[in-house]
Amino acid sequence: DAMVIQNPRYQVTQFGKPVTLSCSQTLNHNVMYWYQQKSSQAPKLLFHYYDKDFNNEADTPDNFQSRRPNTSFCFLDIRSPGLGDAAMYLCATSRGRTGAGQETQYFGPGTRLLVL
Amino acid sequence: KQEVTQIPAALSVPEGENLVLNCSFTDSAIYNLQWFRQDPGKGLTSLLLIQSSQREQTSGRLNASLDKSSGRSTLYIAASQPGDSATYLCALDWGNKLTFGTGTQLKVEL
Repeated sequence: DAMVIQNPRYQVTQFGKPVTLSCSQTLNHNVMYWYQQKSSQAPKLLFHYYDKDFNNEADTPDNFQSRRPNTSFCFLDIRSPGLGDAAMYLCATSRGRTGAGQETQYFGPGTRLLVL
Repeated sequence: KQEVTQIPAALSVPEGENLVLNCSFTDSAIYNLQWFRQDPGKGLTSLLLIQSSQREQTSGRLNASLDKSSGRSTLYIAASQPGDSATYLCALDWGNKLTFGTGTQLKVEL
């Protein structure tokens, strides 16, 4: 019954080696989000897709990119991971955008990224 | 600036106690407020969502209140159980994205 699936759950990469994290959803939601959460910190929104419309947060580094090839899948690409990019990466979905009223976000289990 | 604060950062209580977690925010022009639960190394689970026009929401042993005028929300947990041990985060929707607090780490001891 998993609704938001993230693969892999744990990812180890080398400094500077590109890495891709995957998220899929069975809810048929319009919006998909990527958050970065470092230890003992609040989740921080990196970007989101409303359908195919990409919305980047102003302070998201250029090193982070995203792709949404279809409604169900969304990918987070880190072009050149640095040690400071080690974190939990959370994917979430919602039926509509925030501010629209009753939009609960549904989160996946997260992918923990370790950069060596 | 829209900021969310949760105090205390950590809380330990004996099983069976009723407890209150606090969330304060700087801008009362919110669309809604959500409380989430996060277990160690896991994603977030939505517990309660309170619309801007509402004062409280209840789900089982959980009750969340919202006072926009004072910029505060509380999450009340009745008859706490060891299974309630987790980090509880509040998140505010100011119309463009969710802004999270850093959470309160709750431990309910036997």
